[in-house]
Amino acid sequence: RKEVEQDPGPFNVPEGATVAFNCTYSNSASQSFFWYRQDCRKEPKLLMSVYSSGNEDGRFTAQLNRASQYISLLIRDSKLSDSATYLCVAYQAGTALIFGKGTTLSVSS
Amino acid sequence: DAGVIQSPRHEVTEMGQEVTLRCKPISGHNSLFWYRQTMMRGLELLIYFNNNVPIDDSGMPEDRFSAKMPNASFSTLKIQPSEPRDSAVYFCSSGNNEQFFGPGTRLTVL
Repeated sequence: RKEVEQDPGPFNVPEGATVAFNCTYSNSASQSFFWYRQDCRKEPKLLMSVYSSGNEDGRFTAQLNRASQYISLLIRDSKLSDSATYLCVAYQAGTALIFGKGTTLSVSS
Repeated sequence: DAGVIQSPRHEVTEMGQEVTLRCKPISGHNSLFWYRQTMMRGLELLIYFNNNVPIDDSGMPEDRFSAKMPNASFSTLKIQPSEPRDSAVYFCSSGNNEQFFGPGTRLTVL
């Protein structure tokens, strides 16, 4: 079983829609969590960290539920430029980042 | 800073040939990571170094793969002999807390 699991999608939404991605992790010792964004044929880039209290960055909101070992990313008012693959990441101190396989989002006009 | 630098950006080779991928991490970063990405398996960690020392190489698929970090500014990932199933994008990343990825090397083994 993969340590970080995501729905691969694709999610096809119109501009302006709200879309949510979910992710589960199996290692209860994981301490930090992130969402990375990867554009087609490009490298992954950090989108935002995920904190227990939940955090927001503009149109993006990330939530963490440690009891359920569940992470989410909400994108409001989707833009064409949001089209990408979103990677859920878990981290335990002394190890490396563990990536999910990613969820693909396609925003159309 | 130029970011993480990888070379070559593209490599096409024939089965059985040796392949060497190179990475220059961002100056001041203590950790360096090698990943492989395919459609089927996603982004997989191969090996990572802390302060030039290999910490975890359990992701290296088999003995054909080897990685070195002779100093803080350079690392190599070598495949010898290469096989068609090694075809993938190989990413190097570096960081202290946040990880920064290089542009990747797209490897095709015919």
